[in-house]
Amino acid sequence: KAGVTQTPRYLIKTRGQQVTLSCSPISGHRSVSWYQQTPGQGLQFLFEYFSETQRNKGNFPGRFSGRQFSNSRSEMNVSTLELGDSALYLCASKRDRVNTEAFFGQGTRLTVV
Amino acid sequence: GESVGLHLPTLSVQEGDNSIINCAYSNSASDYFIWYKQESGKGPQFIIDIRSNMDKRQGQRVTVLLNKTVKHLSLQIAATQPGDSAVYFCAQAGSNDYKLSFGAGTTVTVRA
Repeated sequence: KAGVTQTPRYLIKTRGQQVTLSCSPISGHRSVSWYQQTPGQGLQFLFEYFSETQRNKGNFPGRFSGRQFSNSRSEMNVSTLELGDSALYLCASKRDRVNTEAFFGQGTRLTVV
Repeated sequence: GESVGLHLPTLSVQEGDNSIINCAYSNSASDYFIWYKQESGKGPQFIIDIRSNMDKRQGQRVTVLLNKTVKHLSLQIAATQPGDSAVYFCAQAGSNDYKLSFGAGTTVTVRA
C-alpha cells in the first residue's frame, strides 16, 4: 500500500513569506502529526490532528498552524517565515491515536533565505 | 520539562557484531518507549516499542530493554548488517497524550 506522501519535497522561501506543506496519510489512517527536524533541536512535535480536530500542540509560536480535511489529508502553514524555520518537516500517520507505530513521510525540506 | 536523550552520538560497529544503543530519559510518566530508525533522506521508521509495565521485548533481530529504576532504555541489534547503518532515536509517549518526544539520536555506522 502507498506510504505517507508529503509535498513538495523541497522548498525555498524568503523571510517574511508564508508556506503551506501537504501530507497525505496512509489510506485508513486518521491520525496525522507533524514534526520539525533540525540539526540543533532534533525532532520536535508540532501538532496532531485526528478527525479534523487538533488534539495536541507542541511548543511552537502561533505562526505555525495546521488543519486536517475530511479525507484525513493534512496541511501545515507557517506564516512570516524566519531563517530559523529552515528545517525538515515530517508528517506521521497512524491508524488511530492509541497506536505507537507512526509511519513517517520523507519530509519537506524547507529553506528560508 | 521532559527529555529523552542518548548516551553517545555515534557508534561504530563491525558487521556481524551485536550493537547496543542506549538512551536515558527523564519523564518517568510515559507509558510507551519506542525506537525509530532514520536512514539518510528518509523519514523515521518504527522499529519496536515497549510498554512501561514491561522490562524486555524482542523483535526480529532486535531487543529493547527498559530499566525504570535508572530511567534507561536500550536497543540491541543482533548480527549487525550494513543496512542497519542509520540514525537511531528513542522516543516516549503517554497513554493520554500520544505525541512522540524524541531523543537526540545515535548515528550507527557498520564497518565491513
